[in-house]
Amino acid sequence: AQSVSQHNHHVILSEAASLELGCNYSYGGTVNLFWYVQYPGQHLQLLLKYFSGDPLVKGIKGFEAEFIKSKFSFNLRKPSVQWSDTAEYFCAVNARGYQKVTFGTGTKLQVIP
Amino acid sequence: DVKVTQSSRYLVKRTGEKVFLECVQDMDHENMFWYRQDPGLGLRLIYFSYDVKMKEKGDIPEGYSVSREKKERFSLILESASTNQTSMYLCASSGVLGEGNEQFFGPGTRLTVL
Repeated sequence: AQSVSQHNHHVILSEAASLELGCNYSYGGTVNLFWYVQYPGQHLQLLLKYFSGDPLVKGIKGFEAEFIKSKFSFNLRKPSVQWSDTAEYFCAVNARGYQKVTFGTGTKLQVIP
Repeated sequence: DVKVTQSSRYLVKRTGEKVFLECVQDMDHENMFWYRQDPGLGLRLIYFSYDVKMKEKGDIPEGYSVSREKKERFSLILESASTNQTSMYLCASSGVLGEGNEQFFGPGTRLTVL
């Protein structure tokens, strides 16, 4: 069975600081990987996704993530956060060939002006 | 733009009542999903459907059932609501996963069971 771990539950950063949120998944086969974001009072929306090819994936709003297969990881990064990045971030995994998507417990990011 | 709509934003029900949560998507997506979102627990998959009349249990199906009679509509049913089912319920839809598709989410229904 697939599963996802997000080890940082709550992160507080000052504006312009760099961000890295951890995501590890558990599944022995090929996976599709996602990061979603939920801004206060808004729907969950896709930040970026990895299906194949270049393991460094770029998403919206300057976010990127790197898929490291040997570490079963898909960490999210942003070089310089803004106050508007305050949100909850979710990592998700889909085992290739199946239609089930499993989410992590989420990381709340608070950016202080 | 893909649109996923849910029948109610807020719902208050009493213990033992039968509760229906409706979800409609307008993009002809094959897959539809029901999650519940609780603080500290993230999104947990209740049920999903990959085709009309087809359904599969997710990670926490107990106390819930689903119905998908039409491709665009996916209903979540709480046969006898209990207080531990107080939660935010999120519906999502997607094309076939593995073909570069992602999920699109509705605004959620905040259900309170008294």
